[in-house]
Amino acid sequence: DTEVTQTPKHLVMGMTNKKSLKCEQHMGHRAMYWYKQKAKKPPELMFVYSYEKLSINESVPSRFSPECPNSSLLNLHLHALQPEDSALYLCASSRTTSGSSYEQYFGPGTRLTVT
Amino acid sequence: GENVEQHPSTLSVQEGDSAVIKCTYSDSASNYFPWYKQELGKRPQLIIDIRSNVGEKKDQRIAVTLNKTAKHFSLHITETQPEDSAVYFCAARYNGGSQGNLIFGKGTKLSVKP
Repeated sequence: DTEVTQTPKHLVMGMTNKKSLKCEQHMGHRAMYWYKQKAKKPPELMFVYSYEKLSINESVPSRFSPECPNSSLLNLHLHALQPEDSALYLCASSRTTSGSSYEQYFGPGTRLTVT
Repeated sequence: GENVEQHPSTLSVQEGDSAVIKCTYSDSASNYFPWYKQELGKRPQLIIDIRSNVGEKKDQRIAVTLNKTAKHFSLHITETQPEDSAVYFCAARYNGGSQGNLIFGKGTKLSVKP
């Protein structure tokens, strides 16, 4: 399996809702990433997990809460989002964050709309 | 920290022509430079990458060159086809305090006209 998968593909939520995005990979990668991508912009790093531990939080608001239950799964819990949080949320993975095995492979993304 | 500049922001070529996209980076400690292709509504797809110990790498119709002295790297696509139309992002792996995270350029929208 050489893919990163994400569910759901699309999500519409109100500002008071709580929802979760899920990401899964079975490539044995030990680094997983959450990115946010607005239209016509590059991906913007949010969080990095290395060996199931949060290693980077790029000053992301607390209404986004990441979780890495095991080495194959990555979740992003959403609560009290704002309309400006509407974007494509991409998950990525790489073998590690250091050394020579850091090619990142992206999942298909979740298109999030906050109403 | 690292900063990556990418040019041009849009590029239109005729089918069969070559396309060149250029990126410059600021941190000489950066050591890995991938290129991603993103079609509309799809994921960024890694198409080629180069490490700082190599000057050029080719894969069929695409090639990447790296000039460490000038701190710039370029993507070359030969014999372009309509299916090459997409947004291309360059990136540099910053080797500083952010544990080797990728810093992306702003992207180039390539249009290949049949």
